[in-house]
Amino acid sequence: DTGVSQDPRHKITKRGQNVTFRCDPISEHNRLYWYRQTLGQGPEFLTYFQNEAQLEKSRLLSDRFSAERPKGSFSTLEIQRTEQGDSAMYLCASSSPGQGVGYTFGSGTRLTVV
Amino acid sequence: SQQGEEDPQALSIQEGENATMNCSYKTSINNLQWYRQNSGRGLVHLILIRSNEREKHSGRLRVTLDTSKKSSSLLITASRAADTASYFCATDAWGGGSNYKLTFGKGTLLTVNP
Repeated sequence: DTGVSQDPRHKITKRGQNVTFRCDPISEHNRLYWYRQTLGQGPEFLTYFQNEAQLEKSRLLSDRFSAERPKGSFSTLEIQRTEQGDSAMYLCASSSPGQGVGYTFGSGTRLTVV
Repeated sequence: SQQGEEDPQALSIQEGENATMNCSYKTSINNLQWYRQNSGRGLVHLILIRSNEREKHSGRLRVTLDTSKKSSSLLITASRAADTASYFCATDAWGGGSNYKLTFGKGTLLTVNP
């Protein structure tokens, strides 16, 4: 297992289109997180899964955003009717069970909405 | 919302010098973590310090934590050009329902000049 994989690395889409990103976590990690990062800022929490259950969603996650983690393995993040303000780096991270563990991040998907 | 605040926002030093970055946070925490991010890439976990620890070392990294002042510092000794990156502190807030969710600061951009 080589780490957390995200696909695609870059996505350019027109405003109003739907986009879907995929994240493959480290296989033995049961926790999976999505973050969004804009230029010059730190990552902002979007949502969190423990196994297949989505346990927390940020208020940043409007109803245009939906995330799934079927079977507790890979996860997808979909943005419907994209807006220019959605342009950002979308980061996925996973962590193993237990307290006091660090996250392993993927390289991110950079979304540009034109 | 971002809980951690790094200081300074940017730091430029010469190779071989030490670099110190500070982080302040607002709420009680379980642990505090430091991450590095190279331009346009994902974050890499550097070190984790628990709320009952005061100092921790890992290679050229030294982290301190002062829970009474709600602050932490990251010291990188004998810096190298390859240390050039953004450094983020992240807190795992104390209390039920945190779901081990990390809250990141805005980061310190470190430039090490050869």
